[in-house]
Amino acid sequence: EDQVTQSPEALRLQEGESSSLNCSYTVSGLRGLFWYRQDPGKGPEFLFTLYSAGEEKEKERLKATLTKKESFLHITAPKPEDSATYLCAAGGFQKLVFGTGTRLLVSP
Amino acid sequence: DSGVTQTPKHLITATGQRVTLRCSPRSGDLSVYWYQQSLDQGLQFLIQYYNGEERAKGNILERFSAQQFPDLHSELNLSSLELGDSALYFCASSVGLRNEQFFGPGTRLTVL
Repeated sequence: EDQVTQSPEALRLQEGESSSLNCSYTVSGLRGLFWYRQDPGKGPEFLFTLYSAGEEKEKERLKATLTKKESFLHITAPKPEDSATYLCAAGGFQKLVFGTGTRLLVSP
Repeated sequence: DSGVTQTPKHLITATGQRVTLRCSPRSGDLSVYWYQQSLDQGLQFLIQYYNGEERAKGNILERFSAQQFPDLHSELNLSSLELGDSALYFCASSVGLRNEQFFGPGTRLTVL
């Protein structure tokens, strides 16, 4: 069965303290690995798509990387406005399988 | 703003009732997806339509049904509502069958 696991469940950082979020996946026939940001009570906001191992994508303080079994979302020098839940989803043959997310809190 | 619209934003109803949630996809997107998000669970995939046809089903209850119309908007019908159906319901759309999905703002359903 397709599965996506994210760790840690929650992460508290000081402003400027860089870290990484992990997403490990077991999906038959991976068609793409997706990262989303979700603020409380709002719809997930698309961040990145990664298609093949070794691929990297960057957007402001965020960088996503992909290996054959996992993906990382690196956050460099985070700011309080980066506080949100970050969701990872793996695209299998039929549907996206979402992880339960990492709740990130960045304190000033 | 993702370009996906959902109505209504909030819905409060009683157990046993029936409601309809509406979604308009981004211009040009042919696929529509429905998800349920409860406090104690992550995003649960319910169903996908592509250009009017059902393409994939997730953990959708028999009390729930959906359809996609010729103008590509979609409706999710929830009937015989139970307290446990209270959740955020999201619609998403994508260009094709397996592209990145763009989510709407959601409908918060409260069943009393």
